[in-house]
Amino acid sequence: DSGVTQTPKHLITATGQRVTLRCSPRSGDLSVYWYQQSLDQGLQFLIQYYNGEERAKGNILERFSAQQFPDLHSELNLSSLELGDSALYFCASSVGRQVRKDGYTFGSGTRLTVV
Amino acid sequence: EDQVTQSPEALRLQEGESSSLNCSYTVSGLRGLFWYRQDPGKGPEFLFTLYSAGEEKEKERLKATLTKKESFLHITAPKPEDSATYLCAVQAVVQGAQKLVFGQGTRLTINP
Repeated sequence: DSGVTQTPKHLITATGQRVTLRCSPRSGDLSVYWYQQSLDQGLQFLIQYYNGEERAKGNILERFSAQQFPDLHSELNLSSLELGDSALYFCASSVGRQVRKDGYTFGSGTRLTVV
Repeated sequence: EDQVTQSPEALRLQEGESSSLNCSYTVSGLRGLFWYRQDPGKGPEFLFTLYSAGEEKEKERLKATLTKKESFLHITAPKPEDSATYLCAVQAVVQGAQKLVFGQGTRLTINP
């Protein structure tokens, strides 16, 4: 157990729907990162939050949004889902704003299947 | 743009057969290169961080090395439990914030 908790583990939904993925970071970590992993794209950085504030954006679609709450858990909202959004979504956490020598700690991911 | 390319995409070895995985990168000012291991259905697990050319890190049967343009993950006398996808990542700066940029990974299979 890495200490980063993601729920749900699996999600199957229809095109056009909206889903919310949840992440609780490791105790003491203030940064949360969201990554998407698909077979043809590898791990793609989506967005980072630090202590409730958006810190950096990567290749995140406008249909996707995220937030980090005062208790530091984070949610990734995916709307108007398309078949191509099917992927593994990982949350990672770290103590500070910057990358430290031990990198990030990843959760076990949410597998999203859009049908 | 910061990029990471890993080769080969997949590698099959017999138990005990040593080999190396390659990670080549282009980044404006390397701040750190990271190796992760990922098992099927799980999140990446941190292995090593390298910061400067010539640096080496070891852990059990794995040794990571770094040059100015690439990194190698050497696997010595591997066992079936070493089967996994190995990911390489570089530390990059986006909008003033640091993040990890990952390669596609090398899927390693060790046959008994």
